[in-house]
Amino acid sequence: RKEVEQDPGPFNVPEGATVAFNCTYSNSASQSFFWYRQDCRKEPKLLMSVYSSGNEDGRFTAQLNRASQYISLLIRDSKLSDSATYLCVSIRDSSYKLIFGSGTRLLVRP
Amino acid sequence: GAGVSQSPSNKVTEKGKDVELRCDPISGHTALYWYRQRLGQGLEFLIYFQGNSAPDKSGLPSDRFSAERTGESVSTLTIQRTQQEDSAVYLCASSQQMGATGELFFGEGSRLTVL
Repeated sequence: RKEVEQDPGPFNVPEGATVAFNCTYSNSASQSFFWYRQDCRKEPKLLMSVYSSGNEDGRFTAQLNRASQYISLLIRDSKLSDSATYLCVSIRDSSYKLIFGSGTRLLVRP
Repeated sequence: GAGVSQSPSNKVTEKGKDVELRCDPISGHTALYWYRQRLGQGLEFLIYFQGNSAPDKSGLPSDRFSAERTGESVSTLTIQRTQQEDSAVYLCASSQQMGATGELFFGEGSRLTVL
């Protein structure tokens, strides 16, 4: 079993829709979580960190559920430019090794 | 430039040949990572360098893979006797700290195709 698992999608949604992705992690020692965005044939870039209390950055909301060992990313009012692959990332406590999920692909259509 | 620089951007080689991939991290970044991304897959950790500490090589898939870093500067990833399953994008990333902030700055990658 992979340490970080994601639904590969694709999620195909119309502009303006709200879409949510979940990511599950298997290692309870995982302490820090992040969402990265990767455009087609481009390098990944940090989208946002995920805090225990949940956090919001504009149209993006990230949440962590430690009891069920999953994190989520909610995108409101989807834009065409949101089309990308969203990678879930975890770091174990006192570690430096970022563990990446395989990504969830989002397609926003006009 | 200010970002992570990788070369070559594309490399096509024949099975059995050796290849060397280069990474120039952001100046001042002490941590350097190599990841591999196969088509349609996530990022697979290969190796980590932090300053002058011994590197974490736990992700290297076989002894055909090796990497070096000179101080806190350039790193090279060498793949000997390449195989078709080595075909992938090899991504280098650097960060100021030991990944604690979660923000890695990636280069655009070296796309390796082994025929």
